[in-house]
Amino acid sequence: AQSVTQPDIHITVSEGASLELRCNYSYGATPYLFWYVQSPGQGLQLLLKYFSGDTLVQGIKGFEAEFKRSQSSFNLRKPSVHWSDAAEYFCAVGAHSGNTPLVFGKGTRLSVIA
Amino acid sequence: NAGVTQTPKFRVLKTGQSMTLLCAQDMNHEYMYWYRQDPGMGLRLIHYSVGEGTTAKGEVPDGYNVSRLKKQNFLLGLESAAPSQTSVYFCASSQLRDFEAYGYTFGSGTRLTVV
Repeated sequence: AQSVTQPDIHITVSEGASLELRCNYSYGATPYLFWYVQSPGQGLQLLLKYFSGDTLVQGIKGFEAEFKRSQSSFNLRKPSVHWSDAAEYFCAVGAHSGNTPLVFGKGTRLSVIA
Repeated sequence: NAGVTQTPKFRVLKTGQSMTLLCAQDMNHEYMYWYRQDPGMGLRLIHYSVGEGTTAKGEVPDGYNVSRLKKQNFLLGLESAAPSQTSVYFCASSQLRDFEAYGYTFGSGTRLTVV
């Protein structure tokens, strides 16, 4: 069965600093990987996804993520964090076929300080 | 184009009461899902459906029932609510044909409190 581990429960970064959120997955085949963001009291917004091809994927709001098969990782990065990036971030893994439900990590809460 | 609509958005129940959460999608998607979100637990799958008239259990199905009588609707029922079911519930839908391009479409969530 697939699983997702987000090792960091809470991260605090200064505005303007770089950010990396970690995601490790376990999946028996080539995974379909997602990052979602959730602002307080809001729903989930898709940041980016990896299906195949270039292992560095660009998303919205200046985020990017890199798929590393050898490390079973899909870490999210942003070169310069803005105060509005404070939110909770979820990594998810699914099957290419889309015929099995996505499995989500427990999330990483990002705080941004001045 | 409304996407995925969840009704109601907020609800407070007393222990032992019953209620039904409605998820409606207008995209003709085959697959529909119910997740619950709890602090520090991420999203956990309750039940899902791969088509009209079908349902399957997810990771945390106990205390919930579901029905998919119409393709566009996926109902989540709580027969006898318990405080442990206090949570935010998200519905999502997807289509195999364009899953690569779009993944899931999520509703905005239902915040349920059981007192």
